[in-house]
Amino acid sequence: AQSVTQPDIHITVSEGASLELRCNYSYGATPYLFWYVQSPGQGLQLLLKYFSGDTLVQGIKGFEAEFKRSQSSFNLRKPSVHWSDAAEYFCAVASWKNNDMRFGAGTRLTVKP
Amino acid sequence: SQTIHQWPATLVQPVGSPLSLECTVEGTSNPNLYWYRQAAGRGLQLLFYSIGIDQISSEVPQNLSASRPQDRQFILSSKKLLLSDSGFYLCASSPRTNTGELFFGEGSRLTVL
Repeated sequence: AQSVTQPDIHITVSEGASLELRCNYSYGATPYLFWYVQSPGQGLQLLLKYFSGDTLVQGIKGFEAEFKRSQSSFNLRKPSVHWSDAAEYFCAVASWKNNDMRFGAGTRLTVKP
Repeated sequence: SQTIHQWPATLVQPVGSPLSLECTVEGTSNPNLYWYRQAAGRGLQLLFYSIGIDQISSEVPQNLSASRPQDRQFILSSKKLLLSDSGFYLCASSPRTNTGELFFGEGSRLTVL
């Protein structure tokens, strides 16, 4: 079965600084990859997804992610972080057949003023 | 897009009492439905997923059960709650066309005392 690793439990960046959140996945075939964001006490919102094609995908709120098959990675980036980006971020992988999305443990982002 | 309704939003229950969390979906037909549990600092754990009425797969052995009596209704239950059942429970839905994207409800916070 597929699995996801997010190596960083907690990251702190200054407002206006760039951001990269790491995600590594394990799956035997071409995965469907996702990044979700969760504000405290809320459900999850999709930021972006990769199914096929261009390996650099653009999402909402100025986020982007790059699929690197050779590294089994799907890192999330943002050139300039805003205070409102403080939240928990989850990387996820799904397979077409299984319909069961697996999530990483999440990375909590703190933004310093 | 789909809208997921979950209730109750918060619940405090004594050990040994029963549980029923309900989830309903609007804006789609015949979706795939999921129950996830989110324990503090541990990401999302897939508990159950369903591809149709009365078709439910359990991912982990546990004290909980799920039922899908109608196409867009998904219920999470327990006959006797344990302390370890405390957590944040999220219902999610994905369209039958399987774009892979999950739509989440706002979650139900369960505290077992």
